[in-house]
Amino acid sequence: QQQLQESGPGLVKPSETLSLTCTVSGGSISSSTSYWGWVRQPPGKGLEWIGSIYHTGSTFYNTSLKTRVSMSVDPSKNQFSLRLASVTAADTALYYCARHFAAAAPFDCWGQGTLVSVSS
Amino acid sequence: QSALTQPPSASGSPGQSVTISCTGTSSDVGGYSFVSWYQQHPGKAPKVMIYEVTKRPSGVPDRFSGSKSGNTASLTVSGLQAEDEADYYCSSYSGSNTWVFGGGTKLTVL
Repeated sequence: QQQLQESGPGLVKPSETLSLTCTVSGGSISSSTSYWGWVRQPPGKGLEWIGSIYHTGSTFYNTSLKTRVSMSVDPSKNQFSLRLASVTAADTALYYCARHFAAAAPFDCWGQGTLVSVSS
Repeated sequence: QSALTQPPSASGSPGQSVTISCTGTSSDVGGYSFVSWYQQHPGKAPKVMIYEVTKRPSGVPDRFSGSKSGNTASLTVSGLQAEDEADYYCSSYSGSNTWVFGGGTKLTVL
C-alpha cells in the first residue's frame, strides 16, 4: 500500500516562494495511470485543489493559482514537488499531497499534511 | 473554478438519516459523473467515502450513499453513528484535468 509524506519549511516569508516535496513509498511514482496532486486547507476552512501532475511531467493547475504555481516530478527519488511563488498570509494552510489513479478519479491516498505559515 | 456550495452544518440523532447537498454548475457537477465525497475527522487527512457519484470504496459502510440530480449531488448517511461525526467535502471533476471542492459540511451526531 502506497504512503505519501510531505516535507518542507513550516515558515515562509511574505513574497517568497513556498516549496514542498512529497515522497512516495510502497510503489513507483511512474505508475502508468497515477496522477499526483496537492490540496491545501487554510486553518478552520475547506479544501482547495492546487494542481496535479502526471508521471510524464504534464501539469494541471487551479486557474486561480496557475500564475504562481509550478509542479515537478523526480522519478529517480520517487518524489514530486510544489512551488508557490509570491506567497501572502492567505497562503497559510495545511498542505496535503495525494494520489489519484486517473484524471477524473478520486484522491484515494493522502499524506498526513504539513502546515505552512506565511509570516515575517 | 468556483467552489461547490454545501450547507455549513447538518445534524441528526443516532439511527437517523441525514442528507448533505452539494451544488455546482453544468461545468462540474452537472457535466460529469465524477463527484466524490470525503470524510475528514479533526486532525486527520480526508478519506474518500463515495466516488463517481454513487460508488463506495472497499471498506466504506453501505450506510453511506450518493446521488445526483442536475447540478446538485447529495450524500446520505443512514443509521447515523457517533463515529460519523466529521466534516464532509464534496468534490467534482471540472474538465481539462481540473478539480473543485465544496466548502465543507460539519455533521453533528446529536
